Amino acid sequence: KNEVEQSPQNLTAQEGEFITINCSYSVGISALHWLQQHPGGGIVSLFMLSSGKKKHGRLIATINIQEKHSSLHITASHPRDSAVYICAVRETSGSRLTFGEGTQLTVNP
Amino acid sequence: NAGVTQTPKFQVLKTGQSMTLQCAQDMNHEYMSWYRQDPGMGLRLIHYSVGAGITDQGEVPNGYNVSRSTTEDFPLRLLSAAPSQTSVYFCASSQTGGLSYGYTFGSGTRLTVV
Repeated sequence: KNEVEQSPQNLTAQEGEFITINCSYSVGISALHWLQQHPGGGIVSLFMLSSGKKKHGRLIATINIQEKHSSLHITASHPRDSAVYICAVRETSGSRLTFGEGTQLTVNP
Repeated sequence: NAGVTQTPKFQVLKTGQSMTLQCAQDMNHEYMSWYRQDPGMGLRLIHYSVGAGITDQGEVPNGYNVSRSTTEDFPLRLLSAAPSQTSVYFCASSQTGGLSYGYTFGSGTRLTVV
């Protein structure tokens, strides 16, 4: 079993829909990251969370440390949101990141 | 622009050849790391460094060497390339210490070993 599990693996939505991507982890962490990888491969850091909730534009990330679970929400989704979204955790034991397999999001016009 | 610079972007190697993937950052980040990304799998850590002169193995270190002679540079060496090393490689850096930092990724190197 992977230390970081994402669901769903693939998600197709219509433009304007509310999107939720989930991440569960099994190790003690000091921070959780949400990353975005566009076609063409570049990886961009969206959020880093250690507790609570963060919002940036139409993106919202939440984390529940007790339940070892985080969600990434996209409001009013747009085709340009189509990308792979990756959850990664920084374990309390050091600086290393452990990654989920990613969620492929496709938003159709 | 400040960031992580990876070179080359694409490379084709023959089995047994050696090469070095370059990674440089100009943000004075202490922590640097190399990952490989394969279809159906998450990014996997190859090697990492918490500062100049200090390196350690990650999850999949076999077939790769690294060194960290300066804070800025963290090259990844393939000594004898194998088809199993066909992958996309990413370098990333961050500050160490405390919780208020993020990771900056390079644009990736797509390596094919034939």
